[in-house]
Amino acid sequence: EVQLVESGGGLVQPGGSLRLSCTVSGFTSSTYWMCWVRQAPGKGLEWVANINQDGSEKHYGDSVKGRFTISRDNAKNSLYLQMDSLRDEDTAVYYCARDNHWSADQWGQGTLVTVSS
Amino acid sequence: QSALTQPASVSGSPGQSMTVSCTGTSSDIGLYDRVSWYQQHPGKGPKLMIYEVSKRPSGVSSRFSGSKSGNTASLTISGLQAEDEADYYCFSFTSTSSHYVFGTGTKVTV
Repeated sequence: EVQLVESGGGLVQPGGSLRLSCTVSGFTSSTYWMCWVRQAPGKGLEWVANINQDGSEKHYGDSVKGRFTISRDNAKNSLYLQMDSLRDEDTAVYYCARDNHWSADQWGQGTLVTVSS
Repeated sequence: QSALTQPASVSGSPGQSMTVSCTGTSSDIGLYDRVSWYQQHPGKGPKLMIYEVSKRPSGVSSRFSGSKSGNTASLTISGLQAEDEADYYCFSFTSTSSHYVFGTGTKVTV
């Protein structure tokens, strides 16, 4: 069974940092692109970033470029999102997902990040 | 890159067919056959319903179909059922620096 489990969410002050993790099982993660998608409370979905199989290619949404860093450790079947210089508007549920055929075909349950003083 | 444009809400009766539109530009929907659709029930994570414009993942009902014409993609739900009531989002690859873009979302009411 395919599973993606996010962790690391929580409350952080504006300007602070947080690192999200996503542990996958049920498939060979090293053969897939992976991505992060977020959803602010009561709002729509927003694509955040993705990374290729060996971590050599990364892309970011305009709103997080220069502040967030996506990475992966295939030996640990894990995906990460380092979030720096956090803003109120970064408050959202963050989902990790498998990026396949230019779509997100498997999703985690999400982890809530709240940026507030 | 602005979000793809979807109607805020669409409603229909059980058994009817319904189409949700998703309008983009010549930099995204009009340029690539890389459009997907997601269903999201309240409090739940998204679920992939359609990928590459019209392909259905294993396990997704054949009542869901996708198409594209020019800069507009469409999701059609035939034989509407109560369980289809949810939010639906389109998603496309884009040639701009944004790389990918979601639609604004449509609330489907049955």
